[in-house]
Amino acid sequence: GIQVEQSPPDLILQEGANSTLRCNFSDSVNNLQWFHQNPWGQLINLFYIPSGTKQNGRLSATTVATERYSLLYISSSQTTDSGVYFCAVDDYKLSFGAGTTVTVRA
Amino acid sequence: DTGVSQDPRHKITKRGQNVTFRCDPISEHNRLYWYRQTLGQGPEFLTYFQNEAQLEKSRLLSDRFSAERPKGSFSTLEIQRTEQGDSAMYLCASSLVDGYTFGSGTRLTVV
Repeated sequence: GIQVEQSPPDLILQEGANSTLRCNFSDSVNNLQWFHQNPWGQLINLFYIPSGTKQNGRLSATTVATERYSLLYISSSQTTDSGVYFCAVDDYKLSFGAGTTVTVRA
Repeated sequence: DTGVSQDPRHKITKRGQNVTFRCDPISEHNRLYWYRQTLGQGPEFLTYFQNEAQLEKSRLLSDRFSAERPKGSFSTLEIQRTEQGDSAMYLCASSLVDGYTFGSGTRLTVV
């Protein structure tokens, strides 16, 4: 199956800082999604982004499908951004990376 | 439509007992997926349905696990003779074309 690697595994930020999360994948995919998992375990869809760049408020994502990676940018981080961020690639089912745990300190 | 619903939210069971979880997908979504997530890991694929047909099962899904989706609507996941290693969050997702929507999950604890 497709291998998905996320980096870094952990990220500690001061409130207001910017950060970049990376997702590498081993093969061509139909689709890529970024999720945020809240402390109750709910996976919240952030971006459906097979290619190109999308922005939603302080979050943006870029996928370069030909080079098999995607980046998630968090700007002006807030404590509510804390949680685990997952990248998942779709080859008719989602394969997840191990996640990046983000902790934003006030 | 309120999204993907899962029931129960939490389940504690004794080892050896059978448990059944339910997932109600978004009504117009024809694909339904089950995933399992253990602490510190990403969700792992278990099985998926397109309408009522079960199209793939992961090798993670031992013969103690069975899933159904009668009439292509809700789905159930049953675990027979539960073991402590079955303790995990069980997540359901549905999709149509663009993107997957996940439910809140059922957290299973086997004691």
